[in-house]
Amino acid sequence: GDSVTQMEGPVTLSEEAFLTINCTYTATGYPSLFWYVQYPGEGLQLLLKATKADDKGSNKGFEATYRKETTSFHLEKGSVQVSDSAVYFCALREISSYIPTFGRGTSLIVHP
Amino acid sequence: DTGVSQDPRHKITKRGQNVTFRCDPISEHNRLYWYRQTLGQGPEFLTYFQNEAQLEKSRLLSDRFSAERPKGSFSTLEIQRTEQGDSAMYLCASSHRDTYYEQYFGPGTRLTVT
Repeated sequence: GDSVTQMEGPVTLSEEAFLTINCTYTATGYPSLFWYVQYPGEGLQLLLKATKADDKGSNKGFEATYRKETTSFHLEKGSVQVSDSAVYFCALREISSYIPTFGRGTSLIVHP
Repeated sequence: DTGVSQDPRHKITKRGQNVTFRCDPISEHNRLYWYRQTLGQGPEFLTYFQNEAQLEKSRLLSDRFSAERPKGSFSTLEIQRTEQGDSAMYLCASSHRDTYYEQYFGPGTRLTVT
């Protein structure tokens, strides 16, 4: 079945550092890929998405590129802020389904 | 747009009791989803509705769980004879028919079974 594997957290960075959170996937079809963010006490929010190979999703300074050859969708940001502290979830959705499959989440802690 | 709301936010119950959670989706959204999230895990799909019809249920949804969306608006999730393993965060999400891939999540209901 489909699965998403994320790097273990927490990831702890200083403000303005470069961020990478790794995500790889296994899918039987040709899925769409997503990153969600969950701030403390809030629901998950869609951060960015990509629907086909080599697509780059971007939002709020975050980027991720759909790499079919390496089945990866790593999240990057050039300069993190304290306000980026949250849990980040990678997810995939097969084209034939409305239901996403989520990874376990990676906690990001950014210190001033 | 007030977002997806869930009630209650927290529920503590004793093993064997029944509990019911409510979800109010964004008003123009026709699809509604329930997920369960345990500590250190991502959301796991339970069931989803298109309008009032329950179209898909996960094998995680045992016969002690039942969900309804009687008028195609709010939804309830009931757990009968709760067990300690039911302790989790229960998330609700909704999506619009035209942008079904973008699910809007509520803040969740945290259930603790003692």
